[in-house]
Amino acid sequence: GIQVEQSPPDLILQEGANSTLRCNFSDSVNNLQWFHQNPWGQLINLFYIPSGTKQNGRLSATTVATERYSLLYISSSQTTDSGVYFCAVVPYQTGANNLFFGTGTRLTVIP
Amino acid sequence: DGGITQSPKYLFRKEGQNVTLSCEQNLNHDAMYWYRQDPGQGLRLIYYSQIVNDFQKGDIAEGYSVSREKKESFPLTVTSAQKNPTAFYLCASKKFESSYNEQFFGPGTRLTVL
Repeated sequence: GIQVEQSPPDLILQEGANSTLRCNFSDSVNNLQWFHQNPWGQLINLFYIPSGTKQNGRLSATTVATERYSLLYISSSQTTDSGVYFCAVVPYQTGANNLFFGTGTRLTVIP
Repeated sequence: DGGITQSPKYLFRKEGQNVTLSCEQNLNHDAMYWYRQDPGQGLRLIYYSQIVNDFQKGDIAEGYSVSREKKESFPLTVTSAQKNPTAFYLCASKKFESSYNEQFFGPGTRLTVL
């Protein structure tokens, strides 16, 4: 099956710093989503981005589908950005349309 | 408010018991999914359903069962056959459109086997 690799696995930032999270995937995809899992476990949708670039406030994401990677940018980080960030993909031409998840990047923002 | 609800939030099960986790959505979504998350890991698919009265096994379906009698509801039963059921369970749903496939998740149920 498709492999989804995220890096780095752990990231510690000072409040106000910027960061880039990376997601590599091993096959063509129909869908790519970025999520933030908060300390209570809720998965919050950040971006639906099978290709191209999107921005939402301090966050932006870019997916280069032909090169099989996606990047999530966090600018001016805040303590509330802490948590685990997941990249998840739907492989091209799959019947279930279910998401395959990476193992996440755990972000800790310290004041 | 539209959304996905899961209940209970926490569930404790004794060895040998079956338990049922509830998932309801009022988003008029067609497809519903159950995922399992173990500590430090991503999510893995247990079962999915694209239409009422139809469902399919995912990657880790052994020891689980589901039903889809209504569009809004997709309950998951964790049976005594599931060898290691302690985990965080998340339900998701999405509209069935060919060009748009964003999935949305409920708040999850934490199951602990005593």
